[in-house]
Amino acid sequence: AQSVTQPDIHITVSEGASLELRCNYSYGATPYLFWYVQSPGQGLQLLLKYFSGDTLVQGIKGFEAEFKRSQSSFNLRKPSVHWSDAAEYFCAVLYGGGGADGLTFGKGTHLIIQP
Amino acid sequence: EAGVTQFPSHSVIEKGQTVTLRCDPISGHDNLYWYRRVMGKEIKFLLHFVKESKQDESGMPNNRFLAERTGGTYSTLKVQPAELEDSGVYFCASSQDYRGVQYFGPGTRLTVT
Repeated sequence: AQSVTQPDIHITVSEGASLELRCNYSYGATPYLFWYVQSPGQGLQLLLKYFSGDTLVQGIKGFEAEFKRSQSSFNLRKPSVHWSDAAEYFCAVLYGGGGADGLTFGKGTHLIIQP
Repeated sequence: EAGVTQFPSHSVIEKGQTVTLRCDPISGHDNLYWYRRVMGKEIKFLLHFVKESKQDESGMPNNRFLAERTGGTYSTLKVQPAELEDSGVYFCASSQDYRGVQYFGPGTRLTVT
């Protein structure tokens, strides 16, 4: 079955430090890749997406992600986190090739920012 | 432009009762999706509408769940009768294109007691 793995349930980072959130997905034809963020009391907001082309994609709020096909990974990075980045982050994949129409999500990573 | 809206934001019902959740997609988006997140689990796809037609309902858990999208605008998701395991957050999303970017609503938190 198609699956998305976010191995870190919680990550704690000091404000101003760099961040990397990991995401691995099971192999599938032509995956489209997404990162969403959910702040407390809010809905899911799209951070960035990868469909094709340049494997390093830029998103909102200073985030970027790199698609590595050989590793089936789509890790999210930010060079310097701010207290407002504290939220839950979801990696999601839209598989092609006749799979379900909906996104397949990872379990999410809670990001905690230390002052 | 208004985003995806969902109503109600919270609902608490007793086991055996009926609840109807509503989703209004972004205007002009033909594609509408329902998802659910049960506590401690990942967000799971339920179904996909293209206009008023169900394109994919492979994620619907059982026949106690009924989704409709009359007229191809807003959608409702009815749970009848509700069970304890139906508790969770129900998200709606819409997209302009098939396999395009999906924009999510704030979700409806359903608690079945």
